[in-house]
Order: sequence, then C-alpha cells, then structure tokens
Amino acid sequence: AQTVTQSQPEMSVQEAETVTLSCTYDTSESDYYLFWYKQPPSRQMILVIRQEAYKQQNATENRFSVNFQKAAKSFSLKISDSQLGDAAMYFCASTTGGSEKLVFGKGTKLTVNP
Amino acid sequence: ETGVTQTPRHLVMGMTNKKSLKCEQHLGHNAMYWYKQSAKKPLELMFVYNFKEQTENNSVPSRFSPECPNSSHLFLHLHTLQPEDSALYLCASSQVLAGGLGKNIQYFGAGTRLSVL
Repeated sequence: AQTVTQSQPEMSVQEAETVTLSCTYDTSESDYYLFWYKQPPSRQMILVIRQEAYKQQNATENRFSVNFQKAAKSFSLKISDSQLGDAAMYFCASTTGGSEKLVFGKGTKLTVNP
Repeated sequence: ETGVTQTPRHLVMGMTNKKSLKCEQHLGHNAMYWYKQSAKKPLELMFVYNFKEQTENNSVPSRFSPECPNSSHLFLHLHTLQPEDSALYLCASSQVLAGGLGKNIQYFGAGTRLSVL
C-alpha cells in the first residue's frame, strides 16, 4: 500500500523568501506519480506541480520546483520568491500508474508573512 | 465557470434527514471521485466512478450512497448520518485513458462543508 508522510504541520516564510516543504512516500510500485496540491481558504484543491517517477529531471512550474530523490523516496516542494497568495494548505499526494487512487499526506499549513 | 462545481457550499442537517450533494464537471472527463476531508486527517477517497461505473468503494458506510447518472454528474446521497460524518466533502474528476496511460491529474471542486447535528 502507498503511504505519504508530511512531517511539517505548519511552516512560515517571509514574503519574497524561499521555503521548502517536505514529503516522503512509500510504494512498492515502479510506475507512479507524485503531486503537490494547494488548498487556499477558498477550499478548492489546485494542482501545483506533478512529477513522473521515471523522469530523473525535477519538475518546475514558475516559482515552484521539486527536489525528487527517488532512492530516498523524498519529494520536497520549493517555493521561491514567496507571495502572500501562496498562503494555503499544501498536500503531497501519490498515485500509481494506471490507478485512479490518489493517496494524500496530512498537509502542511504555509503562512506567508509580509 | 470553474471546471468542477459542487453544490451546496454548506449544508447543515439532522441525523434523521436525507440530503444530497451534487457535483458537476465541465472538463469532458470520464472519471469522478468523492473524497472526505476531516480535520487533521488525510483526505480519504470514498468512491470512484470510471465511465459511470463504480470502480472503488473504500469501505464507506451505507448511509453514503453515490450516484453517477452520466460522466458529467456525480451525487452523494446522505441519510441517517452521524455527527462524526461532519466534514468537507470534495468532488474531483480526471481523464482516464485505456491502459492506464492517463496523466492521473485530478481536478477538484471547492467542496461542500457538511455539519451533522
């Protein structure tokens, strides 16, 4: 069974600074995908970034990038130049190839201080 | 208009009531999902519908009854709920391709905040 662990219940960062959110996962599959979702106070979960396990290159989306360490089963999210609008709950999630089942971590609440 | 719309946004019901949650997706996807989000717990997958067929029922109590009349609409019928069922219920959709070649990206609605008194 897949598991996803986020060990930081809360994090804070100053506006314009960089913050890294941690995530570890466990799976016996070789084909899987990893995701970071953002849930602002509006409650809608928004996909931030996605990583295919077979790709060695770390995914990036503008100010968001991941550090994917496959051997260590680690998938951290780096947010550069943090903005007030980045304040939200961030969830790490995984799924295996061909499966519709997303497994989520408990989330990290990110506060951005002006 | 957002890709996945859920109604109502908030719902308060007694334990003897019957109510329904509605989800509609405008993304042309063929799979839809119900999740339960409780405080301080990971999101829990409840049901999966793929091509209108239920492919997953994650040991959900029978007081929750899903219905998927077509690939764009998903309902969650509620009856005789318990106070511990109070939570945020999220709907999601995705495009599932034959052979599992889809991108596994799920798109979420804003949820229904349910309070059971």
